[in-house]
Amino acid sequence: KAGVTQTPRYLIKTRGQQVTLSCSPISGHRSVSWYQQTPGQGLQFLFEYFSETQRNKGNFPGRFSGRQFSNSRSEMNVSTLELGDSALYLCASSLVLSGTYEQYFGPGTRLTVT
Amino acid sequence: AQSVTQLDSHVSVSEGTPVLLRCNYSSSYSPSLFWYVQHPNKGLQLLLKYTSAATLVKGINGFEAEFKKSETSFHLTKPSAHMSDAAEYFCVVSDTTSNTGKLIFGQGTTLQVKP
Repeated sequence: KAGVTQTPRYLIKTRGQQVTLSCSPISGHRSVSWYQQTPGQGLQFLFEYFSETQRNKGNFPGRFSGRQFSNSRSEMNVSTLELGDSALYLCASSLVLSGTYEQYFGPGTRLTVT
Repeated sequence: AQSVTQLDSHVSVSEGTPVLLRCNYSSSYSPSLFWYVQHPNKGLQLLLKYTSAATLVKGINGFEAEFKKSETSFHLTKPSAHMSDAAEYFCVVSDTTSNTGKLIFGQGTTLQVKP
């Protein structure tokens, strides 16, 4: 079974631009979560989706948004990019929306904002 | 509120010696606990998980962890380190009582394995 895939793997953007990252979960998984990883803040929860609905959101500004499609694929968007948005963005998928189920992570998208 | 504290930011061992990575957690509810590993420039791989079954949990690649409620700890161990174990390790907690899969990560422990 194919794992979680994320595209693109690397991205360089300029301050003020916007960016869209994509995540395809493991086949059959309906829950998708997004995390931001930086050297200073570590791994932080962005949001999670289940059945095309955002179920939970982390403490990030409104410039960060996402959505989930009917095939469970998810996208996240960051508008008006800032230098501090440079990070590894990780997507994780799970069968259902539950704290007891393991989540499987993709390889991440490395975003650099210049 | 839930939180995780990894007690060592960096651990160095020699190949063939035991590994101990320490983790304490705080949770108002019955938690699920996980250990993930991240090799350089890679995503996170699940090593093992605890979800209120056996307190001694066995994972992949010879790792295991013991859940100790009285000590609020979930330390990761391996009897004999291998060079390929060099990576960053994350202790993670999630809430089993609410309708969310949100994971709360510790700050990570970098494991160095010397030949």
